[in-house]
Amino acid sequence: KAGVTQTPRYLIKTRGQQVTLSCSPISGHRSVSWYQQTPGQGLQFLFEYFSETQRNKGNFPGRFSGRQFSNSRSEMNVSTLELGDSALYLCASQGGSGDTEAFFGQGTRLTVV
Amino acid sequence: KQEVTQIPAALSVPEGENLVLNCSFTDSAIYNLQWFRQDHGKGLTSLLLIQSSQREQTSGRLNASLDKSSGRSTLYIAASQPGDSATYLCAVEDDYKLSFGAGTTVTVRA
Repeated sequence: KAGVTQTPRYLIKTRGQQVTLSCSPISGHRSVSWYQQTPGQGLQFLFEYFSETQRNKGNFPGRFSGRQFSNSRSEMNVSTLELGDSALYLCASQGGSGDTEAFFGQGTRLTVV
Repeated sequence: KQEVTQIPAALSVPEGENLVLNCSFTDSAIYNLQWFRQDHGKGLTSLLLIQSSQREQTSGRLNASLDKSSGRSTLYIAASQPGDSATYLCAVEDDYKLSFGAGTTVTVRA
């Protein structure tokens, strides 16, 4: 059974640009959540989607947005990139009932220059 | 707001020694607690999931306990090996999100 797939693995962007990251969950999983990992702040929750609906959102500025499609694949978008957005972005896949094991992808390493 | 703390921040042991990693959390209203392993710069690998109604889980050399009332979990790794060197993270789930500790970085010396 395929795991969680995140694309691309690496990205280099310039300040002010926007970026879209993609996450394909494990087949049959309907919940996708996103996390930002930096050396200074650790792992921080961005948002969670279930059946195309956002159920929770972390404390990030409106430049960070996401969506989920009917096949459960999810994208997150960051507009007007800042140097501080450089991080490892991780996506997690869960069945969706709130008490199931979370499986993570390998992440997308975003560098903003 | 859920706060998760992991102690110690780093640990170095000789091969064969048992490892004890601690995790504490402030709000006991959780769905579950999960332990992960992260190799440098990589994604997270799930090790053990403990449901809120459970007291412990075991998988091979790994055993994790959960005391929800006191907001504590402990991960035990028996007979450590150099391949166990990694950062170990605990996370509690509530309200459709995981709250993570900062992790314990483990080095097992051959």
